[in-house]
Amino acid sequence: GQQLNQSPQSMFIQEGEDVSMNCTSSSIFNTWLWYKQDPGEGPVLLIALYKAGELTSNGRLTAQFGITRKDSFLNISASIPSDVGIYFCAGQPSYNTDKLIFGTGTRLQVFP
Amino acid sequence: ETGVTQTPRHLVMGMTNKKSLKCEQHLGHNAMYWYKQSAKKPLELMFVYSLEERVENNSVPSRFSPECPNSSHLFLHLHTLQPEDSALYLCASSQDLVGVRIYNEQFFGPGTRLTVL
Repeated sequence: GQQLNQSPQSMFIQEGEDVSMNCTSSSIFNTWLWYKQDPGEGPVLLIALYKAGELTSNGRLTAQFGITRKDSFLNISASIPSDVGIYFCAGQPSYNTDKLIFGTGTRLQVFP
Repeated sequence: ETGVTQTPRHLVMGMTNKKSLKCEQHLGHNAMYWYKQSAKKPLELMFVYSLEERVENNSVPSRFSPECPNSSHLFLHLHTLQPEDSALYLCASSQDLVGVRIYNEQFFGPGTRLTVL
């Protein structure tokens, strides 16, 4: 079946540093999404990407839909303590359904 | 607050118990989903309902039984579970199941943390 390989699995960074994480797949996806999950909560959508090559920002977050449609990355600039959480990439394999394939997540820890 | 609520937030049950998880969405959405989230594994889609009709069952064991009485409510009935079923169970909803080239965002509830002893 389709799988998403997300890396790194975890990151420990200092407040103010920039963060980069990515997802790759052997399959093509029509939409790429990035979610964040805080402890004890469900995932919340951060950024949605709809076209190959698209670069989208949401505050300090920037994400790109890879040209090959098989990868995506998420950057967080000038990290702050509330950025702590688990970040998931997800891909929509078909336009005919809202079903998603999720990555394994990147756990981010920010130290003051 | 995403507009999707789940109860209970935590549940501990024995292998012989029968319990139910409840999900309610206040967003007027037509599609609802059950996911299982285990440690160090991707979210696993279990069931999908569109307009109260089950459209997908991802090879989920019969000890999990979903019910969707209307478009706002979704239940997951549990019986004779195993310890490996311990996980966070997440409910989500989206406007519609058909994307029409624009992804319809899935809104997640906070989840039910299930422990099977």
